[in-house]
Amino acid sequence: KQEVTQIPAALSVPEGENLVLNCSFTDSAIYNLQWFRQDPGKGLTSLLLIQSSQREQTSGRLNASLDKSSGRSTLYIAASQPGDSATYLCAVTLPSGTYKYIFGTGTRLKVLA
Amino acid sequence: GAGVSQSPRYKVAKRGQDVALRCDPISGHVSLFWYQQALGQGPEFLTYFQNEAQLDKSGLPSDRFFAERPEGSVSTLKIQRTQQEDSAVYLCASSFLSFSTYEQYFGPGTRLTVT
Repeated sequence: KQEVTQIPAALSVPEGENLVLNCSFTDSAIYNLQWFRQDPGKGLTSLLLIQSSQREQTSGRLNASLDKSSGRSTLYIAASQPGDSATYLCAVTLPSGTYKYIFGTGTRLKVLA
Repeated sequence: GAGVSQSPRYKVAKRGQDVALRCDPISGHVSLFWYQQALGQGPEFLTYFQNEAQLDKSGLPSDRFFAERPEGSVSTLKIQRTQQEDSAVYLCASSFLSFSTYEQYFGPGTRLTVT
């Protein structure tokens, strides 16, 4: 059974710091991996999607990497800003059937001004 | 174009009441998913539709939960005889069944509070 874990559960950093969020999954047979942002009381905003054949994706100050063989992904946020404060979720897609998402429990990030 | 919409955004129900949550997917999206997100947790899969066919309902926690998508577009998640443990955010997502990514697009969710 696929399980997704995110560490740390919570993180507080001063503005301007570069930071790394970690996601690990138990079964390397995934179709893709996606990082989301969730603001309090809101839905999910997609940040980056990495297909299983890819190693990384970049968007602005965000860079996500994927190492399928070791079951790990990292989300790198450069020059963090208070507006980055949110919960970050990673999800893997199972490679067959419904292609449903399996989510981690998230990392709650707070960037201090 | 419009994204996935859900209604109501907030619902308070007394224990034992029935509730119905609505999802309007992105036009043309074949696949529709429902997820349940408890406080402080990641979303968990409930059920999946491809057009009007419910192909996977393995995540529905009990027979009090029922979902339908009769015309292959709008979907309704119904919870009968609500219990306090049903309090959660219910997220709907749709997908075009792309063969490259199968990316899902999420609605804002319905926050259900059972008192």
